[in-house]
Amino acid sequence: NAGVTQTPKFQVLKTGQSMTLQCAQDMNHEYMSWYRQDPGMGLRLIHYSVGAGITDQGEVPNGYNVSRSTTEDFPLRLLSAAPSQTSVYFCASSYNRGPSEAFFGQGTRLTVV
Amino acid sequence: QQQVKQSPQSLIVQKGGISIINCAYENTAFDYFPWYQQFPGKGPALLIAIRPDVSEKKEGRFTISFNKSAKQFSLHIMDSQPGDSATYFCAAISGYSTLTFGKGTMLLVSP
Repeated sequence: NAGVTQTPKFQVLKTGQSMTLQCAQDMNHEYMSWYRQDPGMGLRLIHYSVGAGITDQGEVPNGYNVSRSTTEDFPLRLLSAAPSQTSVYFCASSYNRGPSEAFFGQGTRLTVV
Repeated sequence: QQQVKQSPQSLIVQKGGISIINCAYENTAFDYFPWYQQFPGKGPALLIAIRPDVSEKKEGRFTISFNKSAKQFSLHIMDSQPGDSATYFCAAISGYSTLTFGKGTMLLVSP
C-alpha cells in the first residue's frame, strides 16, 4: 500500500516554463488537495477536489491549474512558473472532505529561477 | 485573515521536559481539531485529534487540552525526546469545509 505518491521529488524550472506535479493515491479516497509550504507561512491550500470531475479553488490558486479525471490522480499544473512559486508542494488525500485523517505525500521541492 | 493562530514559532526543550504548543481560533463553527507532525523532508502526518465536546485527549506522551470558552487548544508532549524534534501544525475544520492550518512550530529537543 503506497499511500500518496508525488513525483518528482525535486524540480528546477526557469521563469515562464510550465510543468505538472503528479499526485496519485491508492486508498480510494474521494477528497484530494494540494498545499504549498513556505517558511513561516504554514500549509496553504491551493486547490482541492471532492471527487472525479469536481475541483475547486483554495486559498492561493493563482498560477495553478488542476483536473481530476480519475479517483486516483490529481495533477497540479504550473502554467507559467514564477520565482514566487518556489516552494515545497504537498498533495494530500482523505476519505472525505471534513473531519477525517489527511494522508500527505512526501512533497515536491520546486525552485523557479 | 489567519483563522488559526499558533505559537510559539520555535521551541527548544531539554530531553525529558514538557513541550507545549498553543493554538487559538475565532471560528466557533470549527468542530474538529487535529495536530500534524512533520519530520524534515517528509509530509505531515496526523498525530492526534480532538473534538470540542471533550476537554482533553491523551495518546501516550501526547495530550491535547481544549478550552472551548477561550477558543484555545494546546499540545503537550510529556518526557520530550530528541526523536520528537519536528515541526508541529495545529489545524481546524468545520463540518465538511477544508482544513485550516496554523503556521507551525519547530520543536527541537536537546539531548
